[in-house]
Amino acid sequence: AQSVTQLDSQVPVFEEAPVELRCNYSSSVSVYLFWYVQYPNQGLQLLLKYLSGSTLVESINGFEAEFNKSQTSFHLRKPSVHISDTAEYFCAVSPPGVDDYKLSFGAGTTVTVRA
Amino acid sequence: DADVTQTPRNRITKTGKRIMLECSQTKGHDRMYWYRQDPGLGLRLIYYSFDVKDINKGEISDGYSVSRQAQAKFSLSLESAIPNQTALYFCATSDVGRDNEQFFGPGTRLTVL
Repeated sequence: AQSVTQLDSQVPVFEEAPVELRCNYSSSVSVYLFWYVQYPNQGLQLLLKYLSGSTLVESINGFEAEFNKSQTSFHLRKPSVHISDTAEYFCAVSPPGVDDYKLSFGAGTTVTVRA
Repeated sequence: DADVTQTPRNRITKTGKRIMLECSQTKGHDRMYWYRQDPGLGLRLIYYSFDVKDINKGEISDGYSVSRQAQAKFSLSLESAIPNQTALYFCATSDVGRDNEQFFGPGTRLTVL
């Protein structure tokens, strides 16, 4: 079994400031890790994922996340946010292999970017 | 055009009514999922289907049923709606061998009075 904890439910941030969204997971086996983003009135979209290899993964819009196995964390960061980054962000985990469809989601972090 | 569509987008109904939420996809994926989203709880899996003849219960299937009418269509039914089924419902699809990247529809906001 696996579970995900997102440590912050709401994160207000000013435009062009950095942001970090924290995600910790628990699992008895190795995991795949994901960050999904949900813009207002839309479905979830995959932002980035860690499957194996380099522990630092990046998205096309400037976000990055680092897998830390010893701390069982997968925190999401962006050095300079835009108004358009206002959204809800979900961390998720799944086991690799045949059960990789079993996504477990965190409760979500709402990011509000202010001018 | 959207790859995963859901109808209706919003629905208000009364306790005891039967409700069907529909999902269609043009991505050609075999796997389809129904989730519900509640504030502070994230998404939880209700049912999933790997093909037309393979349907499985998820974490919170009580009070729900599903039908996979075709590869592209997956419907969720509430036989007798109750107020604690008020939530945002998402359909998703994924392809085998794509590391389970799931593609979500826009959601259906259901309110049960």
